[in-house]
Amino acid sequence: NAGVTQTPKFQVLKTGQSMTLQCAQDMNHNSMYWYRQDPGMGLRLIYYSASEGTTDKGEVPNGYNVSRLNKREFSLRLESAAPSQTSVYFCASMPQGASYEQYFGPGTRLTVT
Amino acid sequence: EDQVTQSPEALRLQEGESSSLNCSYTVSGLRGLFWYRQDPGKGPEFLFTLYSAGEEKEKERLKATLTKKESFLHITAPKPEDSATYLCAVQAATDSWGKLQFGAGTQVVVTP
Repeated sequence: NAGVTQTPKFQVLKTGQSMTLQCAQDMNHNSMYWYRQDPGMGLRLIYYSASEGTTDKGEVPNGYNVSRLNKREFSLRLESAAPSQTSVYFCASMPQGASYEQYFGPGTRLTVT
Repeated sequence: EDQVTQSPEALRLQEGESSSLNCSYTVSGLRGLFWYRQDPGKGPEFLFTLYSAGEEKEKERLKATLTKKESFLHITAPKPEDSATYLCAVQAATDSWGKLQFGAGTQVVVTP
């Protein structure tokens, strides 16, 4: 099992460019999440998908869109990148049940110039 | 608004020197408090979930405890491989979708 995988690992964008961050999990988990991590601020939830076919906003959704393509894949899109979106992005997944443990991917380091 | 504050921001320990990390939280009803470990350049790795005041969980040199307002992560006789950033997160009782509020973390460095 690869767990949660993310591509790319690193990306540099110019202001105004668009890109999609990919996330996939092979653990048959129902729920998936996108977070961003900035120095001194901890992880903040951008969007989540409680199950295939549903998505909802988290704490910091502005400037982002998501797609839950199927049970395995959850992508995050930046339509017009801004320097404020420079961050490390983590995808996570969680199995159905009462434990609420989340499993994280290795992250994507994004720089917007 | 739910809030999680971790202290200290950074901690430098000698190998074998035990210490504790603090996680203070404000939440309108707690469903669970989570501890994660994060190594540089990697994603967080789950350590513990605590559900109610008085609960304790242990894993190797780590022990997590919970009160109504804070949680402690005790590191007993740490080794250099315990060097990492430790993250605390809470889930409100009103949430059933796994929406977590994270603290900023405590960076721990253990020197030989």
